Amino acid sequence: QSALTQPPSVSGSPGQSVTISCTGTSSDVGVYNRVSWYQQPPGTAPKLMIYGVNNRPSGVPDRFSGSKSGNTASLTISGLQADDEANYYCSSYTSTSTHVVFGGGTKLTVL
Amino acid sequence: QITLKESGPTLVKPTQTLTLTCTFSGFSLSTNGVGVGWIRQPPGKALEWLALLYWDDDKRYSPSLKNRLTITKDTSKKQMVLTMTNMDPVDTATYYCAYSYYFDNKRGSFDYWGQGALVTVSS
Repeated sequence: QSALTQPPSVSGSPGQSVTISCTGTSSDVGVYNRVSWYQQPPGTAPKLMIYGVNNRPSGVPDRFSGSKSGNTASLTISGLQADDEANYYCSSYTSTSTHVVFGGGTKLTVL
Repeated sequence: QITLKESGPTLVKPTQTLTLTCTFSGFSLSTNGVGVGWIRQPPGKALEWLALLYWDDDKRYSPSLKNRLTITKDTSKKQMVLTMTNMDPVDTATYYCAYSYYFDNKRGSFDYWGQGALVTVSS
């Protein structure tokens, strides 16, 4: 069982927006602005899409945005495109001895 | 340009020790704030953080695997080594090494990843 909770799957049509949630605790998501999101198409390594809750690395489209409220972080993808179809993982720095925790992953299907 | 690449055996027997090497370029593990971590992913399953080694030799381990893991660095060779003892079939996974940065809101995130190395544990 992963430390952060994500929905197993979400879906949307091209052009629509989808939001993926990531629920943690007051030891990780709730207390630190150090939530990251990764995109992983099948058979490839994860790619950092968001860090520090809402910061995009260079080259990541502004269709990808992050936010946080309490113990829950969210990734929103607007203007869905076919190549957005992938697994998405959240992670957070944590004050516990675990140091870094990942979510269980969410499969995004573009209909 | 930052790159990382994992290398090591593709098949290990139960109870054996796994040694994986991460060879990187484009940065130095002696630079303030820099870290390299290991993350694994069993087939069809989620990512699991294993360990992180920082520029100042601060080492962090997953509590559930701490007794089996050791990470070391060779700064001159630009390599980091992960050792995992007493391998079991449930440890079958793709093992990734990845670049991290300690400061600001990047702590705990991994900016660059290697391609991954699939390790199968079977007799």
